[in-house]
Amino acid sequence: DSGVTQTPKHLITATGQRVTLRCSPRSGDLSVYWYQQSLDQGLQFLIQYYNGEERAKGNILERFSAQQFPDLHSELNLSSLELGDSALYFCASSDRQLIGANVLTFGAGSRLTVL
Amino acid sequence: AQTVTQSQPEMSVQEAETVTLSCTYDTSESDYYLFWYKQPPSRQMILVIRQEAYKQQNATENRFSVNFQKAAKSFSLKISDSQLGDAAMYFCAYRSGNAGGTSYGKLTFGQGTILTVHP
Repeated sequence: DSGVTQTPKHLITATGQRVTLRCSPRSGDLSVYWYQQSLDQGLQFLIQYYNGEERAKGNILERFSAQQFPDLHSELNLSSLELGDSALYFCASSDRQLIGANVLTFGAGSRLTVL
Repeated sequence: AQTVTQSQPEMSVQEAETVTLSCTYDTSESDYYLFWYKQPPSRQMILVIRQEAYKQQNATENRFSVNFQKAAKSFSLKISDSQLGDAAMYFCAYRSGNAGGTSYGKLTFGQGTILTVHP
């Protein structure tokens, strides 16, 4: 157990629907990162939050949004789902300061299947 | 923008043998960090080894070692005495060392190399 908790582990839904993926970071970590892993795009950075504020944005679609709450958990909202959104969505967390080669700790991922 | 390239989609090795996975990257930064992550069938991303760009000495972790060639922007992973449990997808990743940058913690991943270990 990495300490980063993601729910749900698996999710199957239909096109056009909306889903929410949840992430609880490792205790003490203030930063949360979301990544998407798909067959055609590989592992792509979506967005980063630090202590409730957005810090960096990657290749995140406008149909997707995220937020980090005061208790530091984060949610990734995916709307108007398309078949191509089917992927493994990872959450990772890190300490308040990435000192040196400190690493991100990854959760086990949420597998989204859009039918 | 930084890019990471893994040119070997698949590699295979016999148990107890040695295998090297290749990774090249492109960056204009002088301060950065490089990582190898392992993703077994469980899907969990597991850190294998890390390297600071300012260190000339290659990192080693038990059976895992890297060959870091900064001028060539190359970062290969060598797995010695391969074990069945080493079978996984391996990802090379880059992270900026610019603490003031807005994407300081962001990892840029390569496409991955699937490693098969034959008994």
